[in-house]
Amino acid sequence: GDSVTQMEGPVTLSEEAFLTINCTYTATGYPSLFWYVQYPGEGLQLLLKATKADDKGSNKGFEATYRKETTSFHLEKGSVQVSDSAVYFCALIPMFSGGYNKLIFGAGTRLAVHP
Amino acid sequence: SAVISQKPSRDICQRGTSLTIQCQVDSQVTMMFWYRQQPGQSLTLIATANQGSEATYESGFVIDKFPISRPNLTFSTLTVSNLSPEDSSIYLCSAEPARGFFGQGTRLTVV
Repeated sequence: GDSVTQMEGPVTLSEEAFLTINCTYTATGYPSLFWYVQYPGEGLQLLLKATKADDKGSNKGFEATYRKETTSFHLEKGSVQVSDSAVYFCALIPMFSGGYNKLIFGAGTRLAVHP
Repeated sequence: SAVISQKPSRDICQRGTSLTIQCQVDSQVTMMFWYRQQPGQSLTLIATANQGSEATYESGFVIDKFPISRPNLTFSTLTVSNLSPEDSSIYLCSAEPARGFFGQGTRLTVV
């Protein structure tokens, strides 16, 4: 079945460091791809998304490019801040979901940014 | 956009009892989704609720344990029945998840 694999955390970085969180997927056709973020004590928030190959999603300095050839959707940010400390989830909606739009999540990657 | 109000935000329940979680959406939506997030883990879809029909449950989840109601296009409830400590999790509802509309979650602790 369809699935999402994320790099294991925690990822610990110093402020202003470059961030990459790897995400690869297994799915038929062209799923829609998402990154969600969960800040400590808060609910889930959509960070960015891409719905077709070569699309780049971006938001708040984060970006990710839909790579069909490598079935990847890696999250990047050029300069992280302490306020970016959170858990990041990669997710997909299968192309053939019967209109149900159900999200399949990766395991999540915890990011800790230190001053 | 849709705003989802979920309650309660947290509860502590005795084993063997049940907890009903409510989600109210401020606009009409066709489908609502219920997820479980066990401690330190990712989100797993429990079921999809469509108004006017029975919910569709994912593998490993059954209606007797997680009955769902969807009386109209703006409201849904999830009941977690016959609670055990293994049910301690965060439960989230969602509408239009591709647009990022999630409730704030219900943190359930079973003692």
